[in-house]
Amino acid sequence: ETGVTQSPTHLIKTRGQQVTLRCSSQSGHNTVSWYQQALGQGPQFIFQYYREEENGRGNFPPRFSGLQFPNYSSELNVNALELDDSALYLCASSYPASPRGTQYFGPGTRLLVL
Amino acid sequence: DAKTTQPNSMESNEEEPVHLPCNHSTISGTDYIHWYRQLPSQGPEYVIHGLTSNVNNRMASLAIAEDRKSSTLILHRATLRDAAVYYCILRKAYSGAGSYQLTFGKGTKLSVIP
Repeated sequence: ETGVTQSPTHLIKTRGQQVTLRCSSQSGHNTVSWYQQALGQGPQFIFQYYREEENGRGNFPPRFSGLQFPNYSSELNVNALELDDSALYLCASSYPASPRGTQYFGPGTRLLVL
Repeated sequence: DAKTTQPNSMESNEEEPVHLPCNHSTISGTDYIHWYRQLPSQGPEYVIHGLTSNVNNRMASLAIAEDRKSSTLILHRATLRDAAVYYCILRKAYSGAGSYQLTFGKGTKLSVIP
């Protein structure tokens, strides 16, 4: 069984640019959540996709957007990058009907905005 | 959302038990108590969860106070591989389409001394 994978592992962008991060969910999982983790902080929820539709959003501006594809993989897009967007971006997949609702995290993409 | 309070850091000697406390005085009757941990350079991983009764699994034990306002994650014999940030999270029971977000605090950084 393949776990959650993310690409790329590291990325450097400049302020104002746009970035796309990718996530492949664990087999059988139809829900993908994205989190932003600043240095020294816990992960913060960005949004969640369930069956290709956004299903919950945290306190992030509209320049953070996403997609989920029929195979349940997902993309996170960030437009007009700001210095504060530098962080580790984590993707987690889950199968919500399971009683535990456990989320399985990928290793993350580390984004540096200069 | 109900919040949790954890110590910023703790230390343990290798092969000794570790008790990681969490206070959640505003917990509601439908909140499950989940624990995740994040090893260095990795995404968070599920450890254990419970509602009212104490729980055991291969990774750890969870002791829940009778009034549910606090809980303790117990690692029976700490190893160097248990050095991580441990997060205590309250989560509503699954009750519909989609899966609920996880609200992380700063967690407890556990250091294990050889």
